Amino acid sequence: QKEVEQNSGPLSVPEGAIASLNCTYSDRVSQSFFWYRQYSGKSPELIMSIYSNGDKEDGRFTAQLNKASQYVSLLIRDSQPSDSATYLCAVRDSSASKIIFGSGTRLSIRP
Amino acid sequence: DAGVIQSPRHEVTEMGQEVTLRCKPISGHNSLFWYRQTMMRGLELLIYFNNNVPIDDSGMPEDRFSAKMPNASFSTLKIQPSEPRDSAVYFCASSLGQEAEAFFGQGTRLTVV
Repeated sequence: QKEVEQNSGPLSVPEGAIASLNCTYSDRVSQSFFWYRQYSGKSPELIMSIYSNGDKEDGRFTAQLNKASQYVSLLIRDSQPSDSATYLCAVRDSSASKIIFGSGTRLSIRP
Repeated sequence: DAGVIQSPRHEVTEMGQEVTLRCKPISGHNSLFWYRQTMMRGLELLIYFNNNVPIDDSGMPEDRFSAKMPNASFSTLKIQPSEPRDSAVYFCASSLGQEAEAFFGQGTRLTVV
């Protein structure tokens, strides 16, 4: 079983709609969870960090964490064409503190 | 702060040659990660340092790969000898603390011909 799993997509969402990206992880005692955005040919860029159960909002972005279900999600409201990118979910494990990434979900916002 | 700095940005080398990739982490950060990204395998963790000490190198693919961190402001990833299958983008990232997020450098695109 992969440590961090994401649907590879592509996920196509109309401009102005809500994009919903999902991630599951296998290490039950993981403590830190991150969402990164990566444009083609660029390096991953941090969007959100979340450490406790519930929702965390930052502008158009909302991260949701459910540790019991080992599930992290990212919602993007009022999607813009500039949101088209690959979104990477990352988990920092509780013991060795290494950061493991999912394979990413490719998001396309259609005008 | 200038962020994580990697060099070179691009490297083209012939099979069998030695390749050295360099990384300067963000000042004050005490964790450093080396990742490799390919279309097929995504973003793979190669090795992780904490306070300049290698903590987990289980992702290093073969003995041809080695990494060092002689001080808090510099790390190298060496491939000797290089092979065409090593062609990928190599990223260095750093973080502050053992639960914090990591910040990435611009990456080094390695092509082995």
